[in-house]
Amino acid sequence: EVQLVESGGGLVQPGGSLRLSCAASGFTFSSYWMTWVRQAPGKGLEWVANIKPDGNEKYYVDSVKGRFTISRDNAKNSLYLQMNSLRADDTAVYYCTRAWDYGDDYWGQGALVTVSS
Amino acid sequence: DIQMTQSPSSLSASVGDRVTITCRASQTISRYLNWYQQKPGKAPKLLIYAASSLQSGVPSRFSGSGSGTDFTLTISSLQPEDFATYYCQESYSIVMHTFGQGTKLEIK
Repeated sequence: EVQLVESGGGLVQPGGSLRLSCAASGFTFSSYWMTWVRQAPGKGLEWVANIKPDGNEKYYVDSVKGRFTISRDNAKNSLYLQMNSLRADDTAVYYCTRAWDYGDDYWGQGALVTVSS
Repeated sequence: DIQMTQSPSSLSASVGDRVTITCRASQTISRYLNWYQQKPGKAPKLLIYAASSLQSGVPSRFSGSGSGTDFTLTISSLQPEDFATYYCQESYSIVMHTFGQGTKLEIK
């Protein structure tokens, strides 16, 4: 059974940093693109970043470029999102997803990140 | 960047109704269009991929159609468990897979 479990969410002050992790199991992690998607309270889904299976290609939505870094450790079946210079509008539930050519077929339960003083 | 526009943004319908939601891309995306269902407090669930292919386990009352820039999601006979928010998403671009703004389907 495919499972994605996020961790690392919490409350952080504006300007602070947080690192999200996603533990993957039940599939060959090193064969798949992986993605982070977020959802602000009461809002729609926003694609944030993705990373190629070997980690050598990464893409970001403009609003997080230069502040967020996506990475992966295929030996540990883990995906990460390092978030720096956090702002109030980064407050959201962050989902880890398994991606392929036709969408995101598995999603984690989400990790809540709250940026507030 | 590709922009995805869904309509309507909200919709009221009754159990048994046939419902259609549309999604338009700002440029051609071939058939790289996916539909998701999200219920409150839950992660989204992939319903349809490649415009018209039903994800495993999804009831056959859900169907998708379209290609190029215009796509539709149809629910042939609404069931109580179908009341949720639906999102389209393009997966044509490597650099970003943009979502539509969502359509909230409510009980009339």
